[in-house]
Amino acid sequence: GAGVSQSPSNKVTEKGKDVELRCDPISGHTALYWYRQSLGQGLEFLIYFQGNSAPDKSGLPSDRFSAERTGGSVSTLTIQRTQQEDSAVYLCASSSRTGEETQYFGPGTRLLVL
Amino acid sequence: EDQVTQSPEALRLQEGESSSLNCSYTVSGLRGLFWYRQDPGKGPEFLFTLYSAGEEKEKERLKATLTKKESFLHITAPKPEDSATYLCAVLAGDSSYKLIFGSGTRLLVRP
Repeated sequence: GAGVSQSPSNKVTEKGKDVELRCDPISGHTALYWYRQSLGQGLEFLIYFQGNSAPDKSGLPSDRFSAERTGGSVSTLTIQRTQQEDSAVYLCASSSRTGEETQYFGPGTRLLVL
Repeated sequence: EDQVTQSPEALRLQEGESSSLNCSYTVSGLRGLFWYRQDPGKGPEFLFTLYSAGEEKEKERLKATLTKKESFLHITAPKPEDSATYLCAVLAGDSSYKLIFGSGTRLLVRP
């Protein structure tokens, strides 16, 4: 079956521009997660959704970052006024529910801010 | 503070040379420990979930074990296609939706 998909796979932008990253979770998965993977930083949690609600946004690095999920499916992570330190791989994962359930990851979006 | 430490950072093996990767954790109330494999330019690929001390899981040349303080990923007779970064992550406590990752072990298996 189809796994988690993300688009675009690569994004190059100029400092100060806004970017939108998209995630399509596995069909039927109610929980969706965003992580960031930076060189030398490992994988860090950003935000998660249960349905369309985001109970924990504490991992978002700044107020330039926001995310939404509609229809309990697709999610968009938006970064406003991008900075060079935002360059990283943004990974999306989904699970059948929150708790101890396995999270399945997508291929990621590689963001480069020039 | 919940913490996950993986060792070694990098490991070079000859094809057929078995070894083990270590993941030690300090968390409040382990809810699950997960092993993933990540190839360059790709997202993490799920391998195993372990929930309680003493549990073991196997898949082909890989076997994961769990104690109260650490987990091991044993690789038996590895092949070059096993070369990848292996990531360990935990779910713990009240934030049992937020995976806490180790920094990974980069494995290179030479033919």
